[in-house]
Amino acid sequence: EIVMTQSPATLSVFPGERATLSCRASQSVSGDLAWYQQKPGQAPRLLIYGESTRATGTPARFSGSGSGTQFTLTISSLQSEDFAVYYCQQYNKWPQTFGQGTKLEIK
Amino acid sequence: EVQLVQSGAEVKKPGESLKISCKGSGYTFATYWIAWVRQKPGEALELIGIIYPGDADTRYSPSFQGQVTISADKSISTAFLQWSSLKGSDTAMYYCARTVGPIYHFEFWGQGTLVTASS
Repeated sequence: EIVMTQSPATLSVFPGERATLSCRASQSVSGDLAWYQQKPGQAPRLLIYGESTRATGTPARFSGSGSGTQFTLTISSLQSEDFAVYYCQQYNKWPQTFGQGTKLEIK
Repeated sequence: EVQLVQSGAEVKKPGESLKISCKGSGYTFATYWIAWVRQKPGEALELIGIIYPGDADTRYSPSFQGQVTISADKSISTAFLQWSSLKGSDTAMYYCARTVGPIYHFEFWGQGTLVTASS
């Protein structure tokens, strides 16, 4: 099973600033990497798939990059609604696996 | 509009059986895979397994094989997740999600069903 490791566990950022979240895979997953956003009491929501393709409704301030084993989610200018937990997921090999999440909180 | 609507919260005792559901609408239910995902309180997401309602092709993550049963009834556009004997460690939020393939990202999610197994 592929292990996904996210860092940092918690990231404190001021609104309007840039946030950079990292995700590392224990082996190459090519570009088969997705990012999800989860707010308290809600289901996860797909943000990015194919490592860099924004899902329908994802604002342009969200961007994904990377390949192989190292991936990054960047939020260019944080809005109040962006403070949430973010999970990466590999879907290169069965079973799909998720990272432990990065909690993005207001500084 | 694609929607996945899950059954309501359940409180059961360890050892009891349980079956929760996920009803799809707004698309052809039989032609998309439905995944089940567990999230324990304060923890990350874990894939339980996945089913293709069109032919009932079902796959389980190794950690969950033998622990739960996934099924679907395409005539009522509903997928199910069931336990024959709940454990306290099964206490979690359970989500269903739609996907286009057995190894793919999850496009749409249900609202979740909270299962509590406690004596």
